[in-house]
Amino acid sequence: QKEVEQNSGPLSVPEGAIASLNCTYSDRGSQSFFWYRQYSGKSPELIMFIYSNGDKEDGRFTAQLNKASQYVSLLIRDSQPSDSATYLCAVRLSSGSARQLTFGSGTQLTVLP
Amino acid sequence: DAGVTQSPTHLIKTRGQQVTLRCSPKSGHDTVSWYQQALGQGPQFIFQYYEEEERQRGNFPDRFSGHQFPNYSSELNVNALLLGDSALYLCASSINRGVYEQYFGPGTRLTVT
Repeated sequence: QKEVEQNSGPLSVPEGAIASLNCTYSDRGSQSFFWYRQYSGKSPELIMFIYSNGDKEDGRFTAQLNKASQYVSLLIRDSQPSDSATYLCAVRLSSGSARQLTFGSGTQLTVLP
Repeated sequence: DAGVTQSPTHLIKTRGQQVTLRCSPKSGHDTVSWYQQALGQGPQFIFQYYEEEERQRGNFPDRFSGHQFPNYSSELNVNALLLGDSALYLCASSINRGVYEQYFGPGTRLTVT
């Protein structure tokens, strides 16, 4: 079992819709969770992070964390064509003094005009 | 406020050669992590440097080595290059406290022929 799993997609949504991106992780003691956006040919850009159960909102983005289900999601409201990118979920695991991030393979999102 | 910088942007090397990649962290950041990203995959952790020492290492062979300088900048060295080392090499900087969120540089695209 992979440590961090994401649906590879592609996920297509119409402009103005809500895009929902999901991620599961295997280490129950994981501490912090991050969402990165990566445009084709570019490096990952940090969108937001979450470390407490519940929702965290930042503009059109909402991160949701459920530690009991080992599940983290990212909602993008009012999706725009400029949101078309690969979204990477990253987890800071609990083993030892781990401070590195473990990434999923990413979900490719396409927002259709 | 300058972000994370990396050099060079692109590099083409021949099998068996050696390469050095460079990274300068964001202002105020003291920790540098290196990742390798193959096409269609999430970044894979190589190692992390803090206080000029390698603090953690991922599942990469000893051909991969690094260094951190007193000004917090860092180098990644790869010896005896293999075709499979062709990838995007990402440097991420962070502060050694809190949730340790990491910010990526633009990356170095290494092609081994």
